[in-house]
Amino acid sequence: EVQLVESGGGLVQPGGSLRLSCSASGFTFSSYSMHWVRQAPGKGLEYVSAISGNGGSTYYADSVKGRFTISRDNSKNTLYLQMSSLRAEDTAVYYCVKVSVAGSSVDYWGQGTLVTVSS
Amino acid sequence: DIVMTQTPLSSPVTLGQPASISCRSSQRLVHSDGNTYLSWLQQRPGQPPRLLIYKISNRFSGVPDRFSGSGAGTDFTLKISRVEAEDVGVYYCMQATQFPQLTFGGGTKVEIK
Repeated sequence: EVQLVESGGGLVQPGGSLRLSCSASGFTFSSYSMHWVRQAPGKGLEYVSAISGNGGSTYYADSVKGRFTISRDNSKNTLYLQMSSLRAEDTAVYYCVKVSVAGSSVDYWGQGTLVTVSS
Repeated sequence: DIVMTQTPLSSPVTLGQPASISCRSSQRLVHSDGNTYLSWLQQRPGQPPRLLIYKISNRFSGVPDRFSGSGAGTDFTLKISRVEAEDVGVYYCMQATQFPQLTFGGGTKVEIK
């Protein structure tokens, strides 16, 4: 059974930093690209970042480029999102998402971790 | 960037009756490999999203057959043949043709009348 468990969310002041983690199990982690997708309170879904299976390629939404860094440790089956220079508009539930075979879709989502940016 | 537009914003439905949601993309979603990477997601209240349909019309594992997807090019539809109480939630279309960048529709709320 595929499981994705996020952690690391919390309350942070504007301009601060936070690192999210996503522990994966139930599949060959290194074989799949992974995404972070966020959802602001009461709003829709927004793509944040993606990383290839071997970690060699990374992608970012314009809204987080230069402030967020995605990475992975395939020996630990863990995905990360390092967030810095946080803004109020980064407040959201952050989901760790597994890409399906051949990138045709995203097939499994974690439960999410809430990041609140506020003074 | 591709923009995904869903209608309606809200769909009150009587139990046992059908429901239909439309999604339009600002560009054709046919990939250079010939596939169209249009998916539908369901988000029940308080839950993360869940994949229902991928590549326009393929049901994901465990998805009931009352859910079906159709369409081509820029216009796509999700249909629920007979709405059940557990179908209440928000439905999103999503394109992965521009992978790795994903784009989501704004969501359609399905509720029981």
